[in-house]
Amino acid sequence: DQQVKQNSPSLSVQEGRISILNCDYTNSMFDYFLWYKKYPAEGPTFLISISSIKDKNEDGRFTVFLNKSAKHLSLHIVPSQPGDSAVYFCAASATGTASKLTFGTGTRLQVTL
Amino acid sequence: EAQVTQNPRYLITVTGKKLTVTCSQNMNHEYMSWYRQDPGLGLRQIYYSMNVEVTDKGDVPEGYKVSRKEKRNFPLILESPSPNQTSLYFCASRGSTGPGQPQHFGDGTRLSIL
Repeated sequence: DQQVKQNSPSLSVQEGRISILNCDYTNSMFDYFLWYKKYPAEGPTFLISISSIKDKNEDGRFTVFLNKSAKHLSLHIVPSQPGDSAVYFCAASATGTASKLTFGTGTRLQVTL
Repeated sequence: EAQVTQNPRYLITVTGKKLTVTCSQNMNHEYMSWYRQDPGLGLRQIYYSMNVEVTDKGDVPEGYKVSRKEKRNFPLILESPSPNQTSLYFCASRGSTGPGQPQHFGDGTRLSIL
């Protein structure tokens, strides 16, 4: 049972345009959501997070939006740069679950020139 | 430099030959965890540890053991590896403050069990 879903395995965006990566979840107990970025031969690195008490969190070119009623979150990258090409994982956790992260399957983003 | 270090990075071995993947962190983190990454399945938690001598099962613990005798180290042990344990493994650590705090990951260990 995949509690966190990233339905787009891949996405291609031109440099300078907006990248939108989507994530859906089914467990209503999740109250923290994180995005990780992963380059080949490296571990995932933390990008941005959002608490369920917010609907938006912004950090430079990266913004995460949370729609709790739809159990949906999205990561916006504006403007997209070639160095953003990586696999992006959405992850969720619930308070009281010993820091357990439940990951989505990842979306491979390619930013083209 | 704050980091999580895994060894080895790559290993090809045979069914049934016991192996250990080491994980060490230098951030004085209480929480450590092991994940495996498989195509189409994302990262799944194998075991985690809230502190020294405190370990618990994650989502896919079968065939694995862990120990936490020191705060900095959290080795993953495959007593009798099988081909279905061929995967990319990540160790992660996190400080104790708050459920939304991010975990820091090592660079991964690619295991091939023949």
